[in-house]
Amino acid sequence: DIQMTQSPSSLSASVGDRVTITCRASQSISNYLNWYQQKPGKAPKLLIYGASSLQSGVPSRFSGSGSGTDFTFTISSLQFEDFATYYCQQGYSTPLTFGGGTCVEI
Amino acid sequence: EVQLAESGGGLVQPGGSLRLSCGASGFTFSSHNMNWVRQAPGKGLEWVSYIGNRGRDVYYADSVKGRFTISRDNAKNSLYLQMNSLRDEDTAVYYCARDGLQSGYDFDYWGQGTLVTVPP
Repeated sequence: DIQMTQSPSSLSASVGDRVTITCRASQSISNYLNWYQQKPGKAPKLLIYGASSLQSGVPSRFSGSGSGTDFTFTISSLQFEDFATYYCQQGYSTPLTFGGGTCVEI
Repeated sequence: EVQLAESGGGLVQPGGSLRLSCGASGFTFSSHNMNWVRQAPGKGLEWVSYIGNRGRDVYYADSVKGRFTISRDNAKNSLYLQMNSLRDEDTAVYYCARDGLQSGYDFDYWGQGTLVTVPP
């Protein structure tokens, strides 16, 4: 199974900050890496697919990069509505696996 | 508008069974692979099962293999998860999620979730 290690597990930031989250796969997954946002009590929402492609309707302040085993997710200027938990997920092979999540707090 | 709506969750005793359903609308259901993903209270996301668009290809997480069965009825635009031999560690919100077909396996639309509770 491919293990996804996400860091940090939580971070504190302010509106306007640049936020970066990393995700490492236990083996190469090419660019089959997706990022989700989840707010309390809500279903996850796909933000980035294929490591760097922005899902339709998602603001351009969200971006992703990387390939192989190392990936980065960035919010260029944190907005109030971005305070949430973020998950990476490998879409390379089953069993599909998620990172442990990063809680972005005020 | 793409919509997914889960139902069938509830309280069930250990060893019991439950069948979850997910109704789909707003897209051609028969063209998309589908998944179940769960989230235990206060925990992260765990993929449970996948079914191909025609129902021929199915995959399971090791944690549910042999106990859960995924199926679909394309004529009814519905996805199912039959859960048998339930354990307390199966307690979670269960989401159905559509495969976006964009990057290997990605989940582009999710339902609101249905809670399954199995007491210890």
